[in-house]
Amino acid sequence: KQEVTQIPAALSVPEGENLVLNCSFTDSAIYNLQWFRQDPGKGLTSLLLIQSSQREQTSGRLNASLDKSSGRSTLYIAASQPGDSATYLCAVMRPGNEKLTFGTGTRLTIIP
Amino acid sequence: DAGVIQSPRHEVTEMGQEVTLRCKPISGHDYLFWYRQTMMRGLELLIYFNNNVPIDDSGMPEDRFSAKMPNASFSTLKIQPSEPRDSAVYFCASSSAGQGYGYTFGSGTRLTVV
Repeated sequence: KQEVTQIPAALSVPEGENLVLNCSFTDSAIYNLQWFRQDPGKGLTSLLLIQSSQREQTSGRLNASLDKSSGRSTLYIAASQPGDSATYLCAVMRPGNEKLTFGTGTRLTIIP
Repeated sequence: DAGVIQSPRHEVTEMGQEVTLRCKPISGHDYLFWYRQTMMRGLELLIYFNNNVPIDDSGMPEDRFSAKMPNASFSTLKIQPSEPRDSAVYFCASSSAGQGYGYTFGSGTRLTVV
């Protein structure tokens, strides 16, 4: 059974710093990995989708990497801003199964 | 595209009443998912459809829950009768095999059963 872990559960950093969020998964046989953010009381917003054949994806200040062999993904946020404060979730999909397995999330707070 | 559209945004109902949640997926997406989110249990997949056909309903908690997808642009999740423990945020999401199965979520329906 696939298990997805995100450590730490919460993270606070001063505005302007670069930061890395971590995601680990137990079964390296994945089809894709997706990063989401969720603001309090809101839905999930898709940030980046990495297919299993890819090593990284970039969107603006965000960069997500994928290392299947080690069962890890990182989300790098450059020059953090207070608006980046949210809960970040990673989720993986197995081949032949369209369901996502979600991690428990990292609650990020950017301190002005 | 307007994204995945859910209605209502908020629903407050009395225990025992029927509740119907609605979802319009992104046009062209062939998968639709219903999730429930609570503080205690996080995100739980309830059921998902492919081309309007239910594929996996193993997450539906009880027979009180039912879901339908009569056409490619509409799905409902019904709870009858509702109970206080059903209080949660219910999300609908859609995806497309042709777009690498990236999920797009709706804004959710916050259900409170009193």
